[in-house]
Amino acid sequence: DGGITQSPKYLFRKEGQNVTLSCEQNLNHDAMYWYRQDPGQGLRLIYYSQIVNDFQKGDIAEGYSVSREKKESFPLTVTSAQKNPTAFYLCASSPSGSAEQFFGPGTRLTVL
Amino acid sequence: QKEVEQDPGPLSVPEGAIVSLNCTYSNSAFQYFMWYRQYSRKGPELLMYTYSSGNKEDGRFTAQVDKSSKYISLFIRDSQPSDSATYLCAMSVNTNAGKSTFGDGTTLTVKP
Repeated sequence: DGGITQSPKYLFRKEGQNVTLSCEQNLNHDAMYWYRQDPGQGLRLIYYSQIVNDFQKGDIAEGYSVSREKKESFPLTVTSAQKNPTAFYLCASSPSGSAEQFFGPGTRLTVL
Repeated sequence: QKEVEQDPGPLSVPEGAIVSLNCTYSNSAFQYFMWYRQYSRKGPELLMYTYSSGNKEDGRFTAQVDKSSKYISLFIRDSQPSDSATYLCAMSVNTNAGKSTFGDGTTLTVKP
């Protein structure tokens, strides 16, 4: 089955801790994205990557970091510098030459 | 002012009604227009994908793009309770960068 997986589904973190969210895809897509969604809001782009070993900041990159060492994987680290990290995080991928994006099931992060 | 504005809703209709969901945008460079459906606590899924102006139909769903007015719509005919979800419009300038700009979403409830 082709698709995007995100883990964990729910994540709890204490203030001051870094946490890493996993995103894996087996669709052979070049581009991958991380979004943040707050209640009643649309999607805000955190980081995106069009190719392995390269990534760009999105609209709200402060307090987050990413890596793209493999085509299939695009992990997101939420650092302690992110002031309000409680949110629903969505990973997506996109094939070359297309604007459509395929989303994972999301990770709900709660900071205690 | 946001680049993409979406009718905020929420919208509640009886089963069988025709639903109209709308977005306006300010960036005339947008060429690719998408509609995503997002069920509660899930990742969005692509519903319709259109290029430039015109209509596209898929079953009970019709996407309409009017680039001269910078206005897009999604029509749902014979709405069903299973259509109850949040609908997000998204737009992209090109497929190279792959970045899309999303509306904030309209939450639809179809009552049996």
